[in-house]
Amino acid sequence: EAQVTQNPRYLITVTGKKLTVTCSQNMNHEYMSWYRQDPGLGLRQIYYSMNVEVTDKGDVPEGYKVSRKEKRNFPLILESPSPNQTSLYFCASKIRLAGDETQYFGPGTRLLVL
Amino acid sequence: KQEVTQIPAALSVPEGENLVLNCSFTDSAIYNLQWFRQDPGKGLTSLLLIQSSQREQTSGRLNASLDKSSGRSTLYIAASQPGDSATYLCAVHGGATNKLIFGTGTLLAVQP
Repeated sequence: EAQVTQNPRYLITVTGKKLTVTCSQNMNHEYMSWYRQDPGLGLRQIYYSMNVEVTDKGDVPEGYKVSRKEKRNFPLILESPSPNQTSLYFCASKIRLAGDETQYFGPGTRLLVL
Repeated sequence: KQEVTQIPAALSVPEGENLVLNCSFTDSAIYNLQWFRQDPGKGLTSLLLIQSSQREQTSGRLNASLDKSSGRSTLYIAASQPGDSATYLCAVHGGATNKLIFGTGTLLAVQP
């Protein structure tokens, strides 16, 4: 089944404790992206990747890192989480860069930083 | 800077009604517009994608229209059902970066 998976789905952590949220897609998509969703603000892009080893900042990259060492995986890293990073996080992927195809979203990771 | 607005923020209708959800955007130079459905605690499910050259797309009881010149899109749901209850999001394709710019959504409740 074609899908985008994220792990963990739920995470409670404390300020400053490094964490990684994994994202994997099995559709051989070139493009992958991370969003966060907050009440009243909607979804905002954090980082995106056009291909392996090619990543760039979105609208709200502060406090986050990403890597794209393999085409299928695009982990989101919070080196020193803070309470303002409490949010619902979504990973998305798309088959090609220049095409108008649908973007597919993972199930989300709900993060609480105490 | 592209901004996407959805009205109303919440809507409650009795089962069987036809309804329209609205989405407006400030910059008409878009690649495409996508409508998503989000169930509580779940991810986003793509419903319809309208290319910039298209006027509408249909899937079952759903019909989405696009008027680029006026910066508007509508999602029409026919014969609504309780299972249609969810948050509906529209998103505009933001160009070369493939970024989607989302509205804040319309929370729909269909009463049995």
